[in-house]
Amino acid sequence: AQSVSQHNHHVILSEAASLELGCNYSYGGTVNLFWYVQYPGQHLQLLLKYFSGDPLVKGIKGFEAEFIKSKFSFNLRKPSVQWSDTAEYFCAVNNRAGTASKLTFGTGTRLQVTL
Amino acid sequence: DAGVTQSPTHLIKTRGQQVTLRCSPKSGHDTVSWYQQALGQGPQFIFQYYEEEERQRGNFPDRFSGHQFPNYSSELNVNALLLGDSALYLCASSLMGQNSYEQYFGPGTRLTVT
Repeated sequence: AQSVSQHNHHVILSEAASLELGCNYSYGGTVNLFWYVQYPGQHLQLLLKYFSGDPLVKGIKGFEAEFIKSKFSFNLRKPSVQWSDTAEYFCAVNNRAGTASKLTFGTGTRLQVTL
Repeated sequence: DAGVTQSPTHLIKTRGQQVTLRCSPKSGHDTVSWYQQALGQGPQFIFQYYEEEERQRGNFPDRFSGHQFPNYSSELNVNALLLGDSALYLCASSLMGQNSYEQYFGPGTRLTVT
C-alpha cells in the first residue's frame, strides 16, 4: 500500500521568506506526484504535478517541486512567499497500476504567512 | 467551462439516517472519484466510478455506496450514519486514459452527523 508523509504540520513564515515543505512517499512502483493547495474557503486546486521527465517541475504562482527518486521525496519550494500563499498544502501520489487512479494524500501542511 | 459541482453544500443528519450526495464532473470528464476529508486530515479515497461501474475502492465499509449515471454524474450514498462520518466529502473528476491521473476537485459537501 502506498502512503505519504508530510513532515511539517504547521509552518509560519514572514512575507518574502523562502519556503520548503517536505513530502515523502512509500511505494515501490512508478508513481505520479502532486501538490494540491486549499485556500481558506476554497476547493482543492492543483499546484503542480510530476509524471515523468525533468524531476524539477514548476507550477502556478511561483511554486516548484523536485522529485528525488532515491529519497522517495517530492518537496515543495518557493523562493519568496506572499501573504496570499496562506493555505493548506497537500502532497499526493498515485500509482500507475491499471487505469484506476486513486490519489493517496498526506495529512497536509498549514502555511501561515505573516505581514 | 463548468468545473466540478457538488450538492448540497452543507448537510446535517442524525445518527442512523441515510444521506445522498451528488456530483457533476467537469465538462469532458468521464470518471468520478469520491474522497472523505476529516477535520485536520488529508482526503481519503472512497471509490472511483467509470462507465457506471465502481472501478476501485478504498478502505470504507459497505455502508458507503455509489452510482454513476449515463451523463457521468455521480452519487455517494452513506447508510446508517455514524458520528465519525462527519467530514467534508469531495468529488473529483478526470478523463480516463492518458490523463486519468490528473483529478479536478469540487468544493465539497460538509456533512455533520449529530
